[in-house]
Amino acid sequence: GAGVSQSPSNKVTEKGKDVELRCDPISGHTALYWYRQRLGQGLEFLIYFQGNSAPDKSGLPSDRFSAERTGESVSTLTIQRTQQEDSAVYLCASSLGSGTPYEQYFGPGTRLTVT
Amino acid sequence: AQSVTQLDSQVPVFEEAPVELRCNYSSSVSVYLFWYVQYPNQGLQLLLKYLSGSTLVKGINGFEAEFNKSQTSFHLRKPSVHISDTAEYFCAVHLVGNEKLTFGTGTRLTIIP
Repeated sequence: GAGVSQSPSNKVTEKGKDVELRCDPISGHTALYWYRQRLGQGLEFLIYFQGNSAPDKSGLPSDRFSAERTGESVSTLTIQRTQQEDSAVYLCASSLGSGTPYEQYFGPGTRLTVT
Repeated sequence: AQSVTQLDSQVPVFEEAPVELRCNYSSSVSVYLFWYVQYPNQGLQLLLKYLSGSTLVKGINGFEAEFNKSQTSFHLRKPSVHISDTAEYFCAVHLVGNEKLTFGTGTRLTIIP
């Protein structure tokens, strides 16, 4: 079946512009995660959605970052007034649920470059 | 707070030689442990995981890892590597009762022909 997809695969934007990154999880997966991977660093947790529960936003680095998810489908990560330090690969993952550490399935990522 | 340490950022290994990629973690509560692999230009995929039971877990592509609670380690091993094993390997920790994975900084495994 189809895996997690993300779009765009690459995004180059000017400092100060807003960007929207999209994630399509695997059908039936109730949990969705966003991570950030900076060059030479590990994955940094950003936000977690589980069903209709309030999202865990504890990893968002600033109020310029926000994310939404409609039901158990598509999610968008929005970065307002982008800064150069926002340049990174943004990864989305989905899993069957919560409580038990279900395997997280990762998308290919969106490479964001802020010039 | 939990943390994951992968001491080796890069590991070069000759083809058909054994390899061990080290992972240590710190946590005050029980954990689940994972190794993910990221092949060039691909997304992360699960290599293996430890949830409970036997401390030696086997994963895909001939990899295995051993959970050592006293040393808070979860080192990844393979007895004989292949060129196709060239990738970045990430160790990750999931706290029992928490939903987040905490990742290490990754180890880039390079296989020398």
